[in-house]
Amino acid sequence: KNEVEQSPQNLTAQEGEFITINCSYSVGISALHWLQQHPGGGIVSLFMLSSGKKKHGRLIATINIQEKHSSLHITASHPRDSAVYICAVRSNTGNQFYFGTGTSLTVIP
Amino acid sequence: KAGVTQTPRYLIKTRGQQVTLSCSPISGHRSVSWYQQTPGQGLQFLFEYFSETQRNKGNFPGRFSGRQFSNSRSEMNVSTLELGDSALYLCASSVGTGGSDYGYTFGSGTRLTVV
Repeated sequence: KNEVEQSPQNLTAQEGEFITINCSYSVGISALHWLQQHPGGGIVSLFMLSSGKKKHGRLIATINIQEKHSSLHITASHPRDSAVYICAVRSNTGNQFYFGTGTSLTVIP
Repeated sequence: KAGVTQTPRYLIKTRGQQVTLSCSPISGHRSVSWYQQTPGQGLQFLFEYFSETQRNKGNFPGRFSGRQFSNSRSEMNVSTLELGDSALYLCASSVGTGGSDYGYTFGSGTRLTVV
């Protein structure tokens, strides 16, 4: 069983659409991260959350600690948002990192 | 300010050989963590170093090891390479560690191919 589950695995959207990617986890955590990976491998850390909600530009990340669930929202999606989005958690026992398998997003002009 | 630098970018090795990868963190960052990414397993955590001490380790065999120097640069070593070690190896640096999380900055990775 994976400690971190993401959905959907693949997502295709039209430019301008509102996008939601979901992440559920099964371990106690000290923090949750949303990462973006473009073709070629480079990873960018988008958000680190331990509670509540964060916003950066068109990106919004929320976390519900009681439900062990987080969502990443992209408003007014753009083709340059096309990437793989990965949810990662840092467990609060042993400081282990666990990763979701990623959501591959394609935004069509 | 310079980002996280990983060298080399690409590497081809033969089964049974060993390899050393290098990671130079952002200036002022004292934590370096290493990750393996493969198409089959996705991203997996290898280990994390802070102030020259390994703080935690993922579920990898002892063939995978690392160290951190006093200038925070880190190296990871894989001995007795197997075909399954072919992967993208990423490192990330951050200001601190130890259960309190800061943002991470990732390097571009080293793509290792074992033949």
